Amino acid sequence: GAVVSQHPSRVICKSGTSVKIECRSLDFQATTMFWYRQFPKQSLMLMATSNEGSKATYEQGVEKDKFLINHASLTLSTLTVTSAHPEDSSFYICSAEDAGPYSGNTIYFGEGSWLTVV
Amino acid sequence: AQSVTQLDSQVPVFEEAPVELRCNYSSSVSVYLFWYVQYPNQGLQLLLKYLSGSTLVKGINGFEAEFNKSQTSFHLRKPSVHISDTAEYFCAVSLIQGAQKLVFGQGTRLTINP
Repeated sequence: GAVVSQHPSRVICKSGTSVKIECRSLDFQATTMFWYRQFPKQSLMLMATSNEGSKATYEQGVEKDKFLINHASLTLSTLTVTSAHPEDSSFYICSAEDAGPYSGNTIYFGEGSWLTVV
Repeated sequence: AQSVTQLDSQVPVFEEAPVELRCNYSSSVSVYLFWYVQYPNQGLQLLLKYLSGSTLVKGINGFEAEFNKSQTSFHLRKPSVHISDTAEYFCAVSLIQGAQKLVFGQGTRLTINP
């Protein structure tokens, strides 16, 4: 089946630095990708919807200047956590919509990325 | 706004026993319903989904779920589990309009014991 790949799977960064997480659709084009955040033993929370060639749509309460999303191509969306703080430590998961003619608009999820800010 | 409640955070069962993972949702409008599974160190994989029609939905790996509108539930069941079913299971809903924005439950950790 279709694959969505996230990189890196784990990253540790120092407080105050920025870190970028990539989400790639490997065998389909994705005009829409989604970024979720998951705290330990909690649900996945939608952070933003990433649209190829346009600005991302952020959910209420998500700081767009802190969580920068770029969807510059049909196979790649990036999430940059700027000026990271320990409270940004979390599991970040992306998903991508396969809008191809025979896909049924199926959503595929990446493996997730663990971010630890020290 | 929509919300999803998975009533059990952990469910331990013995191999070959039946299992039911419970999911209730809250929404003032009609929704689509989903169950996803997450194996260790992997992404989420769609098990099954209810969009319309028959309330009993069959998915992959022998799982099925029944949509009960009056009880706002979408419980997941499997008649006989295997060790390989050990994973985290997420129930989710989406609005029929804007269908791909998912609201997830907290997840249920299914552990199969030999």
